[in-house]
Amino acid sequence: GAGVSQSPSNKVTEKGKDVELRCDPISGHTALYWYRQSLGQGLEFLIYFQGNSAPDKSGLPSDRFSAERTGGSVSTLTIQRTQQEDSAVYLCASSLNFRGMNTEAFFGQGTRLTVV
Amino acid sequence: AQTVTQSQPEMSVQEAETVTLSCTYDTSESDYYLFWYKQPPSRQMILVIRQEAYKQQNATENRFSVNFQKAAKSFSLKISDSQLGDAAMYFCALYNTDKLIFGTGTRLQVFP
Repeated sequence: GAGVSQSPSNKVTEKGKDVELRCDPISGHTALYWYRQSLGQGLEFLIYFQGNSAPDKSGLPSDRFSAERTGGSVSTLTIQRTQQEDSAVYLCASSLNFRGMNTEAFFGQGTRLTVV
Repeated sequence: AQTVTQSQPEMSVQEAETVTLSCTYDTSESDYYLFWYKQPPSRQMILVIRQEAYKQQNATENRFSVNFQKAAKSFSLKISDSQLGDAAMYFCALYNTDKLIFGTGTRLQVFP
């Protein structure tokens, strides 16, 4: 596609339910990031995938959060047993390379998650 | 650990005037990249400008320019001839060691 695509754009879920957020990066981009943005706050790093390397999961806030990237393309962020504090916008970004000039990250429009 | 600090939660500027947004960072790496991203109410993050740490010359993109002070670890964004469409959240970001770290953002208001 032309850009990074995230779905759904909005998700309302009940506390305790599991949710899956999807990210389709730009074709050919080897690097993929997930961030969480709480209302009026900055971007909190969650997880980073680079090619076939083991992902950097250092930003995941708890073991309820997990992510995978299938075939080096589409990524899914899963939040189990959602809590109200999980309510935020989840942003996905991809970039062509992790070295050199092509480090610009292109962002999707995010998924706004509301836990009620 | 890498950190990015934006000490101005909010800034305002009159249309056609100039405004400077501050950013400081910390990293032990010598090879890194710095970015300013803009996030309008649509939530779409847009790259404004990029600076490679090995370049001494300050990056410029039309009305946007940076003042990169490597020794001071400072990376400010100057917006000249501000326009109403410049109103947004602006995030400073540092890329190194395979991670892209963001500051907490500065909300810029532009008044006619």
